[in-house]
This record gives sequence, C-alpha cells and structure tokens, in this order.
Amino acid sequence: QKEVEQNSGPLSVPEGAIASLNCTYSDRGSQSFFWYRQYSGKSPELIMFIYSNGDKEDGRFTAQLNKASQYVSLLIRDSQPSDSATYLCAVKSGGYNKLIFGAGTRLAVHP
Amino acid sequence: EAGVTQFPSHSVIEKGQTVTLRCDPISGHDNLYWYRRVMGKEIKFLLHFVKESKQDESGMPNNRFLAERTGGTYSTLKVQPAELEDSGVYFCASSQDQTKTQYFGPGTRLLVL
Repeated sequence: QKEVEQNSGPLSVPEGAIASLNCTYSDRGSQSFFWYRQYSGKSPELIMFIYSNGDKEDGRFTAQLNKASQYVSLLIRDSQPSDSATYLCAVKSGGYNKLIFGAGTRLAVHP
Repeated sequence: EAGVTQFPSHSVIEKGQTVTLRCDPISGHDNLYWYRRVMGKEIKFLLHFVKESKQDESGMPNNRFLAERTGGTYSTLKVQPAELEDSGVYFCASSQDQTKTQYFGPGTRLLVL
C-alpha cells in the first residue's frame, strides 16, 4: 500500500464546474496536509495546507480533511482552463519535516 | 525576492559518470530539502539540511549519492557513479523553518544513458 494515494486521472471537467480531487493516506500519525499544483515542466507550487479536521477555504479552493477516514480533498470552484495541471497531495507525519507525496492527479479543464 | 534556483536545468550523462547538481535556496532559509521524481513515480524525499547539518537523510537511496551544504548556503548533490535508474527530476526545496511552507525549485532533469 502506498503511503499517499491519488487517482492519476486525467480528471476532465468543463469550464465553470467544480473539480474534486481526492487523496488518502496510510499513516494515522500524519498531522499536516498539503496540496501542490504542478504545471508541466515547472516546480510544484503550494495551493493549500490544512492541519485540522473540516474545511478550509481560500478563494476558489477548499481543502477538506477527515482524519478518521484518513482522507483529504481539494475542491476547485468555477474551474478555469488555467487550472489544468497536476495536483499533488503531500503529507507530513509528526516529528518529521519531509513531505510524502502522492503520484498526483492530472486535471484538465476544457472550455 | 529570488526563489529557489537549481543548476543545471538538464543533464545528460553516461552510466558510470559523475554528475553534481546545485541548489540555491531562498535567502535566509535555513532548511533545505532534496527530492526526486523518477519516471512514472511520485516525488520522493531524499534528505533535509538544517543550515549545514543533515537533519534527515533517510531517503538517500545508496552511497553513490552525496549531499553537502558547506557554510549553510547552497547545496550540492553528487551522484557517483551514475546508474540508469538515477534518471529523473531532482527537486530542491527550502523553508524558513521546519514548520513553514517548502518552496520548490524548478528541478534538474537528469538522464543517464
């Protein structure tokens, strides 16, 4: 079992729709959760982080965390073609500062 | 303010050769991380420096990889001798302290033939 699992996609959504990206993790001791966006050939860029159960909103992005289910998601409202990228879920476990990444979900937003 | 920079952007070498990758973190960031992504796999942690000290090197694959951060500024990652399976993208990241956001560089694309 991988430590952080994501559906590789591609996830295809029409412009203006809500894109829902999901991630599960295996270590119950995980404490910090991150979503990075990576355009092809570019560096990963932090979109959101979340530490507590529940929802965290930032503009068009909402991160949701459910520690009991070991599940974290990212919702993108009013999706735009410029949101087309690979979205990487990353987790930090307590006491460690390294990020453990999932393989990423490719999102394609079509006009 | 300049972001994390990495050099070279691409490197193509033959099996058995040596390659040295360089990372310049964001100015003032004491924490520096090396990660790599091999084809089709997820990004994986290699090691973490706090200033010039290795805090965690649990991800280093074997003793062909040597990372240094003399003086606590830039870091180098040397692969000697390179093997085919070392091909991939090597990312460097830095953070102000260990609880803060890790900012990634553009990566070095290494191809070992």
